[in-house]
Amino acid sequence: DAMVIQNPRYQVTQFGKPVTLSCSQTLNHNVMYWYQQKSSQAPKLLFHYYDKDFNNEADTPDNFQSRRPNTSFCFLDIRSPGLGDAAMYLCATSRASPGLAAPSTYNEQFFGPGTRLTVL
Amino acid sequence: KNEVEQSPQNLTAQEGEFITINCSYSVGISALHWLQQHPGGGIVSLFMLSSGKKKHGRLIATINIQEKHSSLHITASHPRDSAVYICAVGSVQISSGSARQLTFGSGTQLTVLP
Repeated sequence: DAMVIQNPRYQVTQFGKPVTLSCSQTLNHNVMYWYQQKSSQAPKLLFHYYDKDFNNEADTPDNFQSRRPNTSFCFLDIRSPGLGDAAMYLCATSRASPGLAAPSTYNEQFFGPGTRLTVL
Repeated sequence: KNEVEQSPQNLTAQEGEFITINCSYSVGISALHWLQQHPGGGIVSLFMLSSGKKKHGRLIATINIQEKHSSLHITASHPRDSAVYICAVGSVQISSGSARQLTFGSGTQLTVLP
């Protein structure tokens, strides 16, 4: 079945130790999103890739970076995790309609199972 | 005031009850999404709609664009329906006409007791 996969499901890191979270998709969608969700809060969009174009949200800290080496994979790098970065990180994908300058949220987003990050 | 308001925040029902979760929004939208999140789990997209009504199994979603309101109904509720239900809207920036990313409501925690 076509799906969005996130590895690992649970990640423990130490304060200040770089960590990378992985997302892959078999849907062949051209848009991939990374969200941060803290306990009892709504997901917060960090950034998204429209094809190879990286789009950062204005309030996403510089500590968070992303890479998309190909259509199927997208990585979230946290350069120096702090205690406040402990959260669920959700990857999502969607197919943007051809010709749009920006991905339309009219298109349904498909979410992965998330990676729960613990910072010690 | 949040752009997306959900009610109730918490809902406890007995198995078999008919359940309604409401969502109101204050911005122009391109589409409205209903999402389900189980404890400690990822998010599953239930519906995406921009008008009218959609039905999938025991789930029904309706939207009234004029009133800027949507409802999610669950018929014959079951304990496995216990989850957080999230309303999210894709809004449209009036100035540019381009679509923004999703704006999420705070979620409704549903507990269905056997």
